[in-house]
Amino acid sequence: EAQVTQNPRYLITVTGKKLTVTCSQNMNHEYMSWYRQDPGLGLRQIYYSMNVEVTDKGDVPEGYKVSRKEKRNFPLILESPSPNQTSLYFCASSLWTVSSYNEQFFGPGTRLTVL
Amino acid sequence: GQQVMQIPQYQHVQEGEDFTTYCNSSTTLSNIQWYKQRPGGHPVFLIQLVKSGEVKKQKRLTFQFGEAKKNSSLHITATQTTDVGTYFCAGREGYSTLTFGKGTMLLVSP
Repeated sequence: EAQVTQNPRYLITVTGKKLTVTCSQNMNHEYMSWYRQDPGLGLRQIYYSMNVEVTDKGDVPEGYKVSRKEKRNFPLILESPSPNQTSLYFCASSLWTVSSYNEQFFGPGTRLTVL
Repeated sequence: GQQVMQIPQYQHVQEGEDFTTYCNSSTTLSNIQWYKQRPGGHPVFLIQLVKSGEVKKQKRLTFQFGEAKKNSSLHITATQTTDVGTYFCAGREGYSTLTFGKGTMLLVSP
């Protein structure tokens, strides 16, 4: 089954404790992206990747890191989480070419609480 | 930077009433996509519009892309309780990545 998986689905942590949220897709998609969703603010892009070893900042990258060592995986790293990073996080992937854009497939989401 | 504005933020309708959400961009878009997110779920792709003035239909849903490619709308005819959720538009300017609107939350009362 074609899908985007995220782990963990729920996480409660404390300020400053490094954490990683994993994202994996089995559709051989070039493009992967991380979003955070907060009430009233919609989906805001954190980082995206056009292909392996190619990553770029989205609209709200501060406090986050990503890596794209393999095509299928795109982990989101919070080196020193703070309470303002409490949010619902979505990973998404899609096929990508310069001249077109395809539908994004979203993972189930990770609800993160930073105390 | 590119901004995509969506109105209304929230709408509550009675089942059977029509519903429309509007999406406006500060810049000309190369394409626009629409997504639906059910309560507690993740966004799911509905459709993509690419051509100026394009109109596409999916059963009771009608999607339009403006002539200037700066605005779009989603219209639902005769809403049903299964239409409940948040509808997002997402626009792309040139070769940039998608920018999402803040979404319109639709509540349908039986």
